Amino acid sequence: DIQMTQSPSTLSASVGDRVTITCRASQSISSWLAWYQQKPGKAPKLLIYKASSLESGVPSRFSGSGSGTEFTLTISSLQPDDFATYYCQQYNSYPETFGQGTKVEIK
Amino acid sequence: QVQLQESGPGLVKPSETLSLTCTVSGGSVSSGSYYWSWIRQPPGKGLEWIGYIYYSGSTNYNPSLKSRVTISVDTSKNQFSLKLSSVTAADTAVYYCARGHPERTFDYWGQGTLVTVSS
Repeated sequence: DIQMTQSPSTLSASVGDRVTITCRASQSISSWLAWYQQKPGKAPKLLIYKASSLESGVPSRFSGSGSGTEFTLTISSLQPDDFATYYCQQYNSYPETFGQGTKVEIK
Repeated sequence: QVQLQESGPGLVKPSETLSLTCTVSGGSVSSGSYYWSWIRQPPGKGLEWIGYIYYSGSTNYNPSLKSRVTISVDTSKNQFSLKLSSVTAADTAVYYCARGHPERTFDYWGQGTLVTVSS
């Protein structure tokens, strides 16, 4: 299985901050990477697919980059609605696997 | 707007079979463009892909669960289902159904249903 490792596990930030979350794959996954946002008691919401494609309806302050084994999710200016847990997911090969999550907290 | 809704028992006894159904509205499980998946999340933990099914009936399962999992589809009811046999407390989780796309992966999710394994 391809292991997905996110860093940091927890991130404390303030409204307006630029936030970057990193996801590393244990082997190359080309650009087959997605990012999700999950709030307590809710299902994950797709933000980014194919490493850098913004899902319809997702604010443009979210962006993704990377290929191969290293990827980043950037929130250009953190908004109150963005405090949540973020997961990366590889879909290059089966089984599809997720990172352990990064919780973005209010500083 | 595509919507998915999980249904099934919230409590299952150890060694028994967990059975859940996902009803799809606003879209068709018969669409050849998508695959229909189950994903679970133990309380306070991360996400685990269980498996998927195409409308044709072809399936792919996570090897870690493959011996215990069956996913089926009922195109007449626009539903797909999950069966997980010989459950233990480790199978306690929120179970999500989701629509998958080869390029956009899991773009629509159900709200999730908590299944507790306990006697």
